[in-house]
Amino acid sequence: GAGVSQSPRYKVAKRGQDVALRCDPISGHVSLFWYQQALGQGPEFLTYFQNEAQLDKSGLPSDRFFAERPEGSVSTLKIQRTQQEDSAVYLCASSLGWGTEFSEQYFGPGTRLTVT
Amino acid sequence: SQQGEEDPQALSIQEGENATMNCSYKTSINNLQWYRQNSGRGLVHLILIRSNEREKHSGRLRVTLDTSKKSSSLLITASRAADTASYFCATRGGYFGNEKLTFGTGTRLTIIP
Repeated sequence: GAGVSQSPRYKVAKRGQDVALRCDPISGHVSLFWYQQALGQGPEFLTYFQNEAQLDKSGLPSDRFFAERPEGSVSTLKIQRTQQEDSAVYLCASSLGWGTEFSEQYFGPGTRLTVT
Repeated sequence: SQQGEEDPQALSIQEGENATMNCSYKTSINNLQWYRQNSGRGLVHLILIRSNEREKHSGRLRVTLDTSKKSSSLLITASRAADTASYFCATRGGYFGNEKLTFGTGTRLTIIP
């Protein structure tokens, strides 16, 4: 079956530009997560949604980062006025729900963002 | 910030040998998971162990959890070239509604054919 998809796979932005990264979760998955992964590091949590509700955005590094999931399915992570330190791979993941038995997260291939 | 650390940071072994990597974390957890990441398949879930479990097996994988020491280990037996990847432990917090995963720093495993 279809997994989590993300687009674009690669994005090069000039410093100061706005970017929008898209995530299509697995159909029927209630929870959706965004992570940021710097080179050589583990993923770091940014934000997560349960259906359309954004329940935790504690990992967003600044108010330049904004995420939405208006209909409880597709999500968009937007970064305004990109800076060089935003260069990273942005991973999206989804899971069935919040019980322990649903904890496994399914990750997309990521969007590699390079800010020049 | 990363929840914890894994060691070793990098490990190279001969094909057929066993590989052991360790993970430490800092706060109470609901469960601990191990993920594998390589360029071909991205980040893939391997195994989950709950906070009230001490050991779990899945195929060639064996995971242990010691909540008193806040540590876990992943053993891969009879390694294969295809096991070459980075391995991350990830913890899910202990309080209700906290679904996010907090990842460790990862171990880069290289299997030498």
